[in-house]
Amino acid sequence: EDKVVQSPLSLVVHEGDTVTLNCSYEVTNFRSLLWYKQEKKAPTFLFMLTSSGIEKKSGRLSSILDKKELFSILNITATQTGDSAIYLCATTGNQFYFGTGTSLTVIP
Amino acid sequence: EAEVAQSPRYKITEKSQAVAFWCDPISGHATLYWYRQILGQGPELLVQFQDESVVDDSQLPKDRFSAERLKGVDSTLKIQPAELGDSAMYLCASSRGLAGPGEQYFGPGTRLTVT
Repeated sequence: EDKVVQSPLSLVVHEGDTVTLNCSYEVTNFRSLLWYKQEKKAPTFLFMLTSSGIEKKSGRLSSILDKKELFSILNITATQTGDSAIYLCATTGNQFYFGTGTSLTVIP
Repeated sequence: EAEVAQSPRYKITEKSQAVAFWCDPISGHATLYWYRQILGQGPELLVQFQDESVVDDSQLPKDRFSAERLKGVDSTLKIQPAELGDSAMYLCASSRGLAGPGEQYFGPGTRLTVT
């Protein structure tokens, strides 16, 4: 059975900390892994990863995919309160699967 | 910037009533998705359209849910009769095509509360 598992489920950090969010997957005919940020509204797209070992970077956020070990990480450096959100990873393959998300809370 | 439109944004209905949601994807996006997101969980795909054709509706509870995209543009998702367990956020998303990986653009969602 295809699945996408994210960890941790929730995380509380102080501003300025660095966090690493994990996403592991087992999907049939894997094509890509996507990261989304969801605040109190619909998810917004962050990254799409298709190749192993190539880091995608946008400001303080970065992500990388390991297709051998079937996981991806999302790093956020120098966290800010505006980073507080649920971070979702999703995979495309035979179907589009979302993980349950990691709830990140950044406190001042 | 083009956006996915959804209406209504909020809907409160009594159980056993019928309810319908509307979605207008980004112009030119051939693929349209309906998701259900229960609080604390990731979105669950209900149905996927490629133009006017259903590509995947394996997770759609067909005894009460129906979806259509008659002209391959906007789409309607209907629930009849609504049950308490249907309370959730219903998200619509669109993407350019079916082939190959690509990001989906989400609408603002419809928050359904069934009483």
